[in-house]
Amino acid sequence: DIQMTQSPSSLSASVGDGVTITCRASQSISSVLNWYQQKPGKAPNLLIYAASSLQSGVPSRFSGSGSGTEFTLTISSLQPEDFATYYCQQSYSTPPTFGGGTKVEIK
Amino acid sequence: EVQLVESGGGLVQPGGSLRLSCAASGFTFSSYAMHWVRQAPGKGLEYVSAISSNGGSTYYANSVKGRFTISRDNSKNTLYLQMGSLRAEDMAVYYCARDGSYYDITYYFDYWGQGTLVTVSS
Repeated sequence: DIQMTQSPSSLSASVGDGVTITCRASQSISSVLNWYQQKPGKAPNLLIYAASSLQSGVPSRFSGSGSGTEFTLTISSLQPEDFATYYCQQSYSTPPTFGGGTKVEIK
Repeated sequence: EVQLVESGGGLVQPGGSLRLSCAASGFTFSSYAMHWVRQAPGKGLEYVSAISSNGGSTYYANSVKGRFTISRDNSKNTLYLQMGSLRAEDMAVYYCARDGSYYDITYYFDYWGQGTLVTVSS
């Protein structure tokens, strides 16, 4: 199975800050990498697919980049509704696997 | 509007069985592969199972293979997960999710249900 490692596991930031989350794959996954946001008690929500494609309806302050084994999710200016846990997920090979999550908290 | 509504969760004893359902609406159900993903309390996301749009192809994570069965009824727009020989480590919120690709199975998930909690305890 492909292992996905996210860093940091948590971070504190203020409204308006820029935030970057990193996801590393244990082997090359080309650009077959997706990002989800999950708020407490809610289902995950797709933000980015294929490493850099913004899902319909997702604000443009979210962006993704990377290929191979290293990927980033960037939030350009953190908004109050962005405080949540973020997961990366590879869909390059089965089983699809998720990173451990990054919890973004209010400073 | 795409909607996925899970049901069937509850308390079951170790070794027991349970069938989850996921009622879909707002899209052409028969055109999309569907998936189950679970999340143990306070933990991350774990992939469980997939089924192709016509039901002809299925996939299971090793952790559930031989114990769980995924199926669908396209005439009822409903996805199922039959779970057997349940263990404590199967306790989780189970989400159904739609595949992000029309007709193909791409293993990313563009719509999710609200989840249903399965508790395995004696």
